[in-house]
Amino acid sequence: AQTVTQSQPEMSVQEAETVTLSCTYDTSESDYYLFWYKQPPSRQMILVIRQEAYKQQNATENRFSVNFQKAAKSFSLKISDSQLGDAAMYFCAYRSDKTSGSRLTFGEGTQLTVNP
Amino acid sequence: DTEVTQTPKHLVMGMTNKKSLKCEQHMGHRAMYWYKQKAKKPPELMFVYSYEKLSINESVPSRFSPECPNSSLLNLHLHALQPEDSALYLCASSQDPGTGVTEAFFGQGTRLTVV
Repeated sequence: AQTVTQSQPEMSVQEAETVTLSCTYDTSESDYYLFWYKQPPSRQMILVIRQEAYKQQNATENRFSVNFQKAAKSFSLKISDSQLGDAAMYFCAYRSDKTSGSRLTFGEGTQLTVNP
Repeated sequence: DTEVTQTPKHLVMGMTNKKSLKCEQHMGHRAMYWYKQKAKKPPELMFVYSYEKLSINESVPSRFSPECPNSSLLNLHLHALQPEDSALYLCASSQDPGTGVTEAFFGQGTRLTVV
């Protein structure tokens, strides 16, 4: 079974600064997908960024980028120019490539605080 | 339309009540999911429907009964719940990975309180 580990229960960052959230995972599969989801107090789970395991290039979405190290099974999220609206719980997640109904496995989450 | 709509947003029910949670999506996704989430914890998978058939049941107690009437609709029927079942219930949907759309889309959830 796949496992996802987020070792930072809480992180804080000053507005306009950069912060990196860590995620490691364990799998025996070669094809899979990794995601970072954000869950603000409004509770809706919002996709921040995704990475296909077969792609060597790190994904970027505006101020959000990942450092994907497949051999090390590491998938960290970097948030640049942090904004107050970035404050939320961030979950790293893994999805198998196998089927349409494959489960999404989540890490324990990192609560990000953005200080003005 | 990239929305997953869940109703109701809030629900308070007694331990002897029967209620249902509803989830709807019109993105043509063929997989739909129910997750249970406790405060400050990650979502825990309960059920997965793939092509309208139950494909995963994570040993959920029978007081939770899922139903997928069609490819756009997912229900979760609740009966004789316990106070520890109080949680946020999230619905999600996803497409076949081969389509290139790999992520799951989530609804806003139903906040359930069992009294």
